Amino acid sequence: EGLLVQSGGGSVQPGGSLRLSCAASGLDFGSYWMHWVRQAPGKGLLWVSRITGDGGGTTYVDSVKGRFTVFRDNARNTLHLQMTSLRAEDTAIYFCATERYFGPGNFGLDYWGQGTPVTVSS
Amino acid sequence: SSELTQDPAVSVALGQTVRITCQGDSFRGNSASWYQQKPGQAPLLVVYGANSRPSGIPDRFFGSDSGNTASLTITGAQVDDEADYYCGFRDRSGNHWVFGGGTKVTVL
Repeated sequence: EGLLVQSGGGSVQPGGSLRLSCAASGLDFGSYWMHWVRQAPGKGLLWVSRITGDGGGTTYVDSVKGRFTVFRDNARNTLHLQMTSLRAEDTAIYFCATERYFGPGNFGLDYWGQGTPVTVSS
Repeated sequence: SSELTQDPAVSVALGQTVRITCQGDSFRGNSASWYQQKPGQAPLLVVYGANSRPSGIPDRFFGSDSGNTASLTITGAQVDDEADYYCGFRDRSGNHWVFGGGTKVTVL
């Protein structure tokens, strides 16, 4: 049974930086595309970023492009999200998740980390 | 704003059936997946594909797709089913995911 344990996050002033981490166990980490999803207080889910299994392909939601960088260390079964130039609107709970392929046209985010809060405030 | 539209809230009597819909033009070849989220918890995948459930998810949850509308139906709703439910969709390129705005289900 897979498990994702998140760390990092916390409070930072606008313009600051933070790094989130997501440690995987019980699964073949390098074979999974990984995602970051966030949830602002009282709001819904927002997809943030995706990285391919080998780390060679990354994509981002427009609002974080150029400020966030997703990367992974498959030797250490760890996913990271480096966040810079943080804004108040980045305040949210951030979740990491694995993407599973279930068949043609069928995908799901099946393992989720516990979430880590990020607060951007002066 | 989300490209996938869900009703903000719905209520269902205990033991009855409730259907949650997700409308959008993003269903281009991929099926929606559905996530249950309880307060203070991470989302939980409950349905993927047209109507498949991960291990451990009760069979009272089932999904369907029709045109630009995906649906999650809960039959025989239980108190434990009270939660927010989100549809999610992986775009065809695999470059992005989109979530609906979420539906809060209340079991009366």
